Amino acid sequence: DQQVKQNSPSLSVQEGRISILNCDYTNSMFDYFLWYKKYPAEGPTFLISISSIKDKNEDGRFTVFLNKSAKHLSLHIVPSQPGDSAVYFCAASEATSGSRLTFGEGTQLTVNP
Amino acid sequence: KAGVTQTPRYLIKTRGQQVTLSCSPISGHRSVSWYQQTPGQGLQFLFEYFSETQRNKGNFPGRFSGRQFSNSRSEMNVSTLELGDSALYLCASSSPQGSSYNSPLHFGNGTRLTVT
Repeated sequence: DQQVKQNSPSLSVQEGRISILNCDYTNSMFDYFLWYKKYPAEGPTFLISISSIKDKNEDGRFTVFLNKSAKHLSLHIVPSQPGDSAVYFCAASEATSGSRLTFGEGTQLTVNP
Repeated sequence: KAGVTQTPRYLIKTRGQQVTLSCSPISGHRSVSWYQQTPGQGLQFLFEYFSETQRNKGNFPGRFSGRQFSNSRSEMNVSTLELGDSALYLCASSSPQGSSYNSPLHFGNGTRLTVT
């Protein structure tokens, strides 16, 4: 039962353009969502999060959008840089679940110079 | 501030053996969680400890266990190892409040376990 899904295993974009990574969820109890970035041989690094009471959150080049009715969120990276090349994980949690996160399968982003 | 430290980085064990992995959280963090990452299943939650008590548990067999010490350091143990236990085991810590709401999880670089 995959409650968080990232349907695109990979995404390739040109440097300077926008990268859009998508994530869908099925559990309506999820009310907090996060994006993590992971380089090989390293642990995931927190990027940005959003609470279900918001529909948008920005942090520099990173913006997360949440569409609760569609149970969909997306991460926009503008402008994309070669150093952004990594695996991006979407994660979700419930208010009562403490630090338990449910992760998507990840999307490999490649930014070409 | 030092990050989450996991030891060892790599481990090779034989089927049937047991293994203990160690995690030192960020100073001041009282919540420690463990995750298993495999190519087929992605990142799966194992368990969470807060103030030496298991607060949450994922859907893993009883061969997987953990504990947390009074200094918040944590260990996880896997007994009777199976080939399918080969994975990257990640430890994460979070803020004193111990909730992803107040502080995102900060992950260590993991322990790569290979079972032969």
